[in-house]
Amino acid sequence: GDSVTQMEGPVTLSEEAFLTINCTYTATGYPSLFWYVQYPGEGLQLLLKATKADDKGSNKGFEATYRKETTSFHLEKGSVQVSDSAVYFCALSPYSGAGSYQLTFGKGTKLSVIP
Amino acid sequence: DTGVSQNPRHKITKRGQNVTFRCDPISEHNRLYWYRQTLGQGPEFLTYFQNEAQLEKSRLLSDRFSAERPKGSFSTLEIQRTEQGDSAMYLCASSLRGDGGFGEKLFFGSGTQLSVL
Repeated sequence: GDSVTQMEGPVTLSEEAFLTINCTYTATGYPSLFWYVQYPGEGLQLLLKATKADDKGSNKGFEATYRKETTSFHLEKGSVQVSDSAVYFCALSPYSGAGSYQLTFGKGTKLSVIP
Repeated sequence: DTGVSQNPRHKITKRGQNVTFRCDPISEHNRLYWYRQTLGQGPEFLTYFQNEAQLEKSRLLSDRFSAERPKGSFSTLEIQRTEQGDSAMYLCASSLRGDGGFGEKLFFGSGTQLSVL
């Protein structure tokens, strides 16, 4: 079945450091890929998405590129802020002719940014 | 946009009791999802409604679990004869069909944390 593997945390960075959170996936066909973020005490929020190979999703300074050849969707940000401290989840949604909308999530990576 | 609302936020129950959770989606959203999340894991899909029709159910949803969405508005998730293994965060999400087809954006509630003693 479909699966998502993301780097384990926690990850602790200093403010303005470069962030990479690795995510690889296993799926049949052509899934859509997502990064969701969960800030303390809040529900999951969509951060960015990509629906086909070589698409780049971006939002709030975060970027991720859909790499079909390496089955990866790594999250990057050039300069993290304290407000980026959260848990980040990589996820995929399979595509089928009938339309399947269930998401398969990775385990999450907790990011802490210190001043 | 008031967001997805879930009640209660926390529920503590004894093993063998029945519990029911409620989810109020964003008002114009016609799709509603239930997920379950245990500590250190990502959310796992349980079931999905389009309007009032339950269209997909995970094999994780045993016979003790039942979900309804009468009139295509709010939804309830009931767990009968709870077991300690049911302890988890139960998340509800909603979306609007047509918002990109596949790859659509889900809006999540803050969840109901269930503890079975």
